[in-house]
Amino acid sequence: DGGITQSPKYLFRKEGQNVTLSCEQNLNHDAMYWYRQDPGQGLRLIYYSQIVNDFQKGDIAEGYSVSREKKESFPLTVTSAQKNPTAFYLCASSIGIAGAVGTGELFFGEGSRLTVL
Amino acid sequence: RKEVEQDPGPFNVPEGATVAFNCTYSNSASQSFFWYRQDCRKEPKLLMSVYSSGNEDGRFTAQLNRASQYISLLIRDSKLSDSATYLCVVNRPNTGNQFYFGTGTSLTVIP
Repeated sequence: DGGITQSPKYLFRKEGQNVTLSCEQNLNHDAMYWYRQDPGQGLRLIYYSQIVNDFQKGDIAEGYSVSREKKESFPLTVTSAQKNPTAFYLCASSIGIAGAVGTGELFFGEGSRLTVL
Repeated sequence: RKEVEQDPGPFNVPEGATVAFNCTYSNSASQSFFWYRQDCRKEPKLLMSVYSSGNEDGRFTAQLNRASQYISLLIRDSKLSDSATYLCVVNRPNTGNQFYFGTGTSLTVIP
């Protein structure tokens, strides 16, 4: 079945450690995104990528890094520089082509819940 | 002003009731509008897109009012399984395929 797979589902990290969250899709989508969700807030965009080997910062990129070496993979590293990393992280993809309007539906992975101890 | 605003609720309604949610958006250039459903501690999933002429999918009806910059979602004959958080999502103009997300409206359908 086509979809997006995120791993791990739950992750505990000590302060000062970097962690990498995996996101893989087999939908052949060009665009991929990382969002963060905190209680009482809407999803906030961390990074996005419209095409392989290219990505852009979203609204809250500080303390995060990404790579897009393959179309199907878009891992997110939460670095020790991220001041408040405990959150629910959601990876998504869409057909979305840069500059296109209304290319529509976002498909989400099941999310990764990161807790910093 | 937030780009997308929703009443967080919670809305607690009996089974069989009709319930409506509204969402306002600030960027008049936005052209794509969606309602997503998110179950507790799960990922959001597309419920329906919202078209200019309004659209219906079974018990769900979505409407768009461009003049007042709001979209609405009407749920008729509520089921227990409709209990979830409903997210209003609006595209960000001139950004390719990026979106503004509302904080969500919580619905609990009571037996």
